[in-house]
Amino acid sequence: DAGVIQSPRHEVTEMGQEVTLRCKPISGHNSLFWYRQTMMRGLELLIYFNNNVPIDDSGMPEDRFSAKMPNASFSTLKIQPSEPRDSAVYFCASSLSRDEKLFFGSGTQLSVL
Amino acid sequence: DQQVKQNSPSLSVQEGRISILNCDYTNSMFDYFLWYKKYPAEGPTFLISISSIKDKNEDGRFTVFLNKSAKHLSLHIVPSQPGDSAVYFCAAPPISSGSARQLTFGSGTQLTVLP
Repeated sequence: DAGVIQSPRHEVTEMGQEVTLRCKPISGHNSLFWYRQTMMRGLELLIYFNNNVPIDDSGMPEDRFSAKMPNASFSTLKIQPSEPRDSAVYFCASSLSRDEKLFFGSGTQLSVL
Repeated sequence: DQQVKQNSPSLSVQEGRISILNCDYTNSMFDYFLWYKKYPAEGPTFLISISSIKDKNEDGRFTVFLNKSAKHLSLHIVPSQPGDSAVYFCAAPPISSGSARQLTFGSGTQLTVLP
């Protein structure tokens, strides 16, 4: 199994531009999570899906952030418009329901100039 | 409200010695704890876990201890190796009746094992 696949690995964009991060979870996993890692706040949960349905998006910082999971093998996290304070590493993770062990992708390093 | 806290941002240990990473939590209802390890440019990977019904879990060089009365857990690495140099996160799933168990992570501790 290739594990959780995220793209792109690195994204550099200018303030105000739209950014879309992509994630392919491990096949068979029915829970998907988006995390953001910053120096100040560490790893914080943004949103998670179970069986493609958003369960808890209380961690999404503001309306500029949105996430979708149109099918079991694909999810996107979109930031529109992006701001410099969004610069961070964004991780996607997946797991089997009721299993605490998450499998993380390698992350997307986002830099908003 | 940070429910899982790692108060030491960094730790340096000599190769062969013991590394002790600490984690405190505030929610006495947590029933399961996990440690993840993260290398640069990679995502965190699961390392070891412990159920709240136990006070110790051992896996090779890694042992996690849980002190429920103090709401404290620690990860011991013996002997430490240079390849153990990484950021270590403790984590706990919130009590939930939902089917998914999202994790709350501590802020991490950077372990450096010196050769």
